[in-house]
Formats: sequence, C-alpha cells, structure tokens
Amino acid sequence: AQSVTQLDSQVPVFEEAPVELRCNYSSSVSVYLFWYVQYPNQGLQLLLKYLSGSTLVESINGFEAEFNKSQTSFHLRKPSVHISDTAEYFCAVSHQGGSEKLVFGKGTKLTVNP
Amino acid sequence: KAGVTQTPRYLIKTRGQQVTLSCSPISGHRSVSWYQQTPGQGLQFLFEYFSETQRNKGNFPGRFSGRQFSNSRSEMNVSTLELGDSALYLCASSLNLGAQETQYFGPGTRLLVL
Repeated sequence: AQSVTQLDSQVPVFEEAPVELRCNYSSSVSVYLFWYVQYPNQGLQLLLKYLSGSTLVESINGFEAEFNKSQTSFHLRKPSVHISDTAEYFCAVSHQGGSEKLVFGKGTKLTVNP
Repeated sequence: KAGVTQTPRYLIKTRGQQVTLSCSPISGHRSVSWYQQTPGQGLQFLFEYFSETQRNKGNFPGRFSGRQFSNSRSEMNVSTLELGDSALYLCASSLNLGAQETQYFGPGTRLLVL
C-alpha cells in the first residue's frame, strides 16, 4: 500500500518570497507522482506530474518539483509566489502498473500575504 | 472542450435517506473515478469505472455504490445516509485507464447530511 505525507498543513508566506511545500511518500512498488491544486470552492487541477525521465518537472505557472527516489520525496517549489497562488496543494501517488487510483496527502494550505 | 460537470452542486439530506450524484466526463474520456473529501480524512478514493465496469473500489461500506453508462457518464449512490457522509464528492475523468493518466476533476457535489 502507498501513503503520502505532507509535512506542513499550513504555510504562510509573503508575496514574492520563495516557497517549498514538502511531500514524502511510502510505497513498496514504483509510483507516479502528482501535485494538484485546489482553489476555494473548486475541484482539483493538475499542477505537474512525474512519470519518468528527468527528475525535475515544471509547471506552466512557475512551480517545479523534484523527484528524489532515495529520499522518497517530491517537494514542490516556487522561487517567487503571487497572491493568486493562495490555495490548497495536494501531493498524490499512483501505483505504476496499477489502476488510476490516486492516494493523496492531507494537503498544504498555502497563504500568500501582501 | 467542456470540463467535467457534476450535478447537483449542493445537496442537503437527512439521515436515512439516499442520494444519487451525477458526473459527466470530458467528451472522449472513458474512465471515471470518484473521491470523497472531508476535513478529517482528506481525499479518499471511492471507485473507478472504465467501459461500464468497476475496475477498482476503495475501502467504503456497501452503502456506497456507483455505475457507468455507455456514454461514460457516471452516477454514485449512497443509501441510508449517515452524518459522517457529509463531504465534498469529486468526480474525475481521464482519457484512458492507467496509473499514468492525468485525471481531470469536476467542481464536486457538496453533500450535507442533517
């Protein structure tokens, strides 16, 4: 079975500051890794995903995440955040060779203050 | 292309009643998954359907059931509602079946059980 731990439930930062949202996973099999974002009263939107290849993946809005197999981590980073990045971020894994079932972390609420 | 739509968006029921939630996937998508989101338990996988067949089921009681129609639209049903069933129910669709597939989420149905 897989599990996902997001170490910080809330992260407050000031606008234009860098941010890192941490994600660690546990699995006995190889996994795919995802970051989703949820804005208030909305569903989840895919931010980025790691399937294979380069361990650094980027999104179109400036976020990036690095897959570290030895540390079983997939931390999300952005060098300079905007007010509009305020949302809840979820890390998730799926089992390679398995179904689409996503196992989610508990989420990290990012609040960007002016 | 229209996104995933879910109806109704909000629902209030009383204990013991039953409820049916509907999900229309993105046109051309054949796989539909359902998730329950609560403040306490976070996001938990309910079921996954592909070609009208349930491919995977989460750890929920038999009161939770679902189905998928030939046009890929899906419904989930919860019978004998309990207070703990109050949650945001999210539907996600993907083009095909597979752990690497990106799942596109709808806005959810918020169910309140009184």
